[in-house]
Formats: sequence, structure tokens, C-alpha cells
Amino acid sequence: DIQMTQSPSSLSASVGDRVTITCRASQVINSWVAWYQQKPGKAPKSLIYSTSTLEGGVPSRFSGSSSGTDFTLTINSLQAEDFATYYCQQYNIFPPTFGQGTKVEIK
Amino acid sequence: EVQLVESGGALAQPGGSLRLSCAASGFTFNNYGMNWVRQAPGKGLEWVSGITGSGGATYYADFVKGRFTISRDNSKNTLYLQMNSLTDDDTATYYCAKDWLLDAVIYYFDRWGQGTPVTVSS
Repeated sequence: DIQMTQSPSSLSASVGDRVTITCRASQVINSWVAWYQQKPGKAPKSLIYSTSTLEGGVPSRFSGSSSGTDFTLTINSLQAEDFATYYCQQYNIFPPTFGQGTKVEIK
Repeated sequence: EVQLVESGGALAQPGGSLRLSCAASGFTFNNYGMNWVRQAPGKGLEWVSGITGSGGATYYADFVKGRFTISRDNSKNTLYLQMNSLTDDDTATYYCAKDWLLDAVIYYFDRWGQGTPVTVSS
């Protein structure tokens, strides 16, 4: 199975900060990487698919990019509602696999 | 608006069985693949199983193969997960998740239900 190694596992940030979360795939994969946001006690919500395409209604402060086997989620100007856990996921090679998550907490 | 509502989660004994359901609305159900994804308490997300829109093909994670069966009733817009031979490791919240692409299962989940909790304990 493809391992998606996500880092950091947690971070503290302030409103207005720029936050970057990275997932490294264990082997070369295409651009079939998605990012999800999950708030406590809630279902995951899809944010980005195909590495960089925003789901409808997702604010433009969220963006995705890649370089080789590294995939990055960036949140520009963090807002209060962005404090949550974020997961990457690859869906290029069966079975689909997720990163272990990054918890974004208030500093 | 897409809605996915899971039910059927409960306390089960090791070795026991449960059947989860997911009622779908707001989209043409039989056009889309559907999946089950689970999350153990305090842990990350783990894909469990997927099924094509027609129900003609099913897919499983190795850790549930032979124990779980995914199915769907397109006349009722409902997805199911029959879980047999349950173990403690199956304790999790189970989410149904709609696949993104029309007429395919590609395992990008664009809509999720609220989840149903399953606890396996004696």
C-alpha cells in the first residue's frame, strides 16, 4: 500500500498566519491527491482534489500543490473556523490511503 | 443537496455481526460509486470498502476481506455494509462516502455522512 506520511502531526498557529501541511507519498503517484478537513465530532469535509482543485464553496485561502512525491496544503491567513484536523489522501493506487492527520490548534 | 444518513451502529460482541445502512438523497444514487470509510476513536481515516453505481463490482480493504460485504439497493437509494466476525479492532465510527466521478469508483470522496458508531466489546 502507498504510505502517505503527513507532517507535522500538530501545529499551533494564530489567526492570520500562513500554515503549510505536507504529505509525502511512499512512491511516485499522479496528481490524485485530496485534502479533507475534520472538526471534532464531525464528518470529514472535502477541500481539495486532484492536488490543487478546490471543491465548490471552499475559500480561496486554501490551496494545494505538489513537488515530486510531496503534496502540500497551504492555508493563507488562517481563520478561526480553520482550526481542525486535516488529512491528505491518495486515490491513484488501490487501496486508497490517508495520511495520519495534522491537528491545527490555536496558539 | 446531497445527504447521506448512516444508521445501524451499535454495541456488538466479538465474533458478532452488524449491518450498517446509509440512506442517500439529493443526487442520482445509481450513477455513483459509494464507499465506507472508518475512524477508530482518536485515530485517522481508513478506507473499508467501495461499490460501483450498478453494484456490479465491489472492493475491500485486506483487513475486512471475507468478513464484510458491501451492497446497495438502488431502488431504495441505500448503501449497506454487512459486518461479520467482528473484532475489537473494528471499533470505529463508520462513514459512508460518495465517490466523485460519475459511473466509476475512483476513491475520491466528495460527500460524507455524519457517521455511525460501532463498538465491539464483550
